[in-house]
Amino acid sequence: SQTIHQWPATLVQPVGSPLSLECTVEGTSNPNLYWYRQAAGRGLQLLFYSVGIGQISSEVPQNLSASRPQDRQFILSSKKLLLSDSGFYLCAWSPTETQYFGPGTRLLVL
Amino acid sequence: SQQGEEDPQALSIQEGENATMNCSYKTSINNLQWYRQNSGRGLVHLILIRSNEREKHSGRLRVTLDTSKKSSSLLITASRAADTASYFCATGKTSYDKVIFGPGTSLSVIP
Repeated sequence: SQTIHQWPATLVQPVGSPLSLECTVEGTSNPNLYWYRQAAGRGLQLLFYSVGIGQISSEVPQNLSASRPQDRQFILSSKKLLLSDSGFYLCAWSPTETQYFGPGTRLLVL
Repeated sequence: SQQGEEDPQALSIQEGENATMNCSYKTSINNLQWYRQNSGRGLVHLILIRSNEREKHSGRLRVTLDTSKKSSSLLITASRAADTASYFCATGKTSYDKVIFGPGTSLSVIP
């Protein structure tokens, strides 16, 4: 069966520090991969999605970037975090329409 | 934008009652999905309905889709306290494209 992992679960970072969140999927190959951000009590904002290694589509211009160095690995990065980057970050994968979510990373930028 | 908009934003009911949530969208779609999110957790897929379908059932869940009105509804029958969560609709233009999530409905089921 397929599983999706995200880490860390919680992260507290100072403004201006770098960020690296990792997401990996097991049990499938060539999945579509997604990064979402969710503000408290709000819906999901699609940040990036990828249909293959090295193929990244950006949905929202910001100081975040994403990379897919391996088929089942998706990384969200930032060189300098802003206060507004705080939120709940969710990674998801999909074979077709249905999306399967990881447990999320709660990021607090102080 | 094809984004779905759920209604109501928040819903509070007694255990055993039925809960109905609605989703409206703006452009033509290939499919519409409903997800549940427990507090602080990832989303869990509940049900998918395609544009050529009008109704689907899964356990206590019933989803309808009216493409002429660009709307869908999710009915949870005989609600339980464990149904307390946020519910999101998501629309997709194609079978393989990204989906767009609405802002969600927060459901509270009071024991």
